Amino acid sequence: AQSVAQPEDQVNVAEGNPLTVKCTYSVSGNPYLFWYVQYPNRGLQFLLKYITGDNLVKGSYGFEAEFNKSQTSFHLKKPSALVSDSALYFCAVWTGRDDKIIFGKGTRLHILP
Amino acid sequence: NAGVMQNPRHLVRRRGQEARLRCSPMKGHSHVYWYRQLPEEGLKFMVYLQKENIIDESGMPKERFSAEFPKEGPSILRIQQVVRGDSAAYFCASSPQGSGANVLTFGAGSRLTVL
Repeated sequence: AQSVAQPEDQVNVAEGNPLTVKCTYSVSGNPYLFWYVQYPNRGLQFLLKYITGDNLVKGSYGFEAEFNKSQTSFHLKKPSALVSDSALYFCAVWTGRDDKIIFGKGTRLHILP
Repeated sequence: NAGVMQNPRHLVRRRGQEARLRCSPMKGHSHVYWYRQLPEEGLKFMVYLQKENIIDESGMPKERFSAEFPKEGPSILRIQQVVRGDSAAYFCASSPQGSGANVLTFGAGSRLTVL
């Protein structure tokens, strides 16, 4: 079955420190992977995606994500966290033939000043 | 160029009433997706529609829920005889083609509260 997992409900990071939000996936075929961010009372906003090519994908607001095929992971990273990065982050995967995108449960990121 | 427009933003219903949630996709987008967000449960896929067609409704409850995307006008998510468990945020997203590599553009959501 196609699935995406975010093992951490919440991640706390001090401002200025690097951050990582974890994501693992299970999908048949080549994965199309996405990260979205949700601010309070808003819809989801696209951050970045991996389709093919370089395993390190750069996205909006200084975020990047590393695709690791052997570990079936697509962790979101940022070298230096900002308080304004505090939000709910969703990893997502395209299911292929079903042609829909499924989302993980989300990880709440708290950046501490 | 307006994004995905959802209304109402907030809707309060009593148990047994009907809720209708509307979604106008981005201009040029012909594919619409509905998701439900419950606290601690993340974002759950409900239904995927193209104009006048339901492509995948595998995430929709079998009873009381229906969705449409007519040739003209917005997509509608309809919940009949609402119960307290239907209280959630319902998000609509659109894309110009089938999802695949396409980025979904989300609306701000409709928050349904069932009293």
